[in-house]
Amino acid sequence: AQSVSQHNHHVILSEAASLELGCNYSYGGTVNLFWYVQYPGQHLQLLLKYFSGDPLVKGIKGFEAEFIKSKFSFNLRKPSVQWSDTAEYFCAVSTGATNKLIFGTGTLLAVQP
Amino acid sequence: KAGVTQTPRYLIKTRGQQVTLSCSPISGHRSVSWYQQTPGQGLQFLFEYFSETQRNKGNFPGRFSGRQFSNSRSEMNVSTLELGDSALYLCASSLGQPRETQYFGPGTRLLVL
Repeated sequence: AQSVSQHNHHVILSEAASLELGCNYSYGGTVNLFWYVQYPGQHLQLLLKYFSGDPLVKGIKGFEAEFIKSKFSFNLRKPSVQWSDTAEYFCAVSTGATNKLIFGTGTLLAVQP
Repeated sequence: KAGVTQTPRYLIKTRGQQVTLSCSPISGHRSVSWYQQTPGQGLQFLFEYFSETQRNKGNFPGRFSGRQFSNSRSEMNVSTLELGDSALYLCASSLGQPRETQYFGPGTRLLVL
């Protein structure tokens, strides 16, 4: 069965620090990869997604992620975080021709001003 | 364009009762997926409906069921409620093709006493 692992459950950073959140998945076939974010009191919303092509994907609000097939990873990065990036971040995977999303457990990011 | 709406937003039920949750997708979206979010299990896929047919199903007992109407609105039903069914139930809509972005609603928070 497919699964998604997010190794950091809680991350605390100061403003302007760099961010990298880890995401690994287990599935041997073609995958579609997503990062979703849930700001306090708001809906889950898509940050970025990867299906094919350039493994470095840019999303909204300065976020990017790199797909490394050999490591089954899709880590999220941002060079300089802001207080407004405080949120919970979810990595998700779908496989093949399905819309079924398998989510990681989420990483709670707190950015201190 | 209006986003995904879910009603009711909050619900309190007692064990053994049944509950129906409603989801109205974004206009033009034909796929509706349901997810359960709990602190212990995270976000788990329940099922997906597309053009009034269940297209994918997660690993939940038969007490969890759903349906979709011709206007793409969807309902989810849980019968014989258990304490463990307390959760945030999210629905997400998309155009329906694989890899399409799924847009999430605010969720219905269900508390079973």
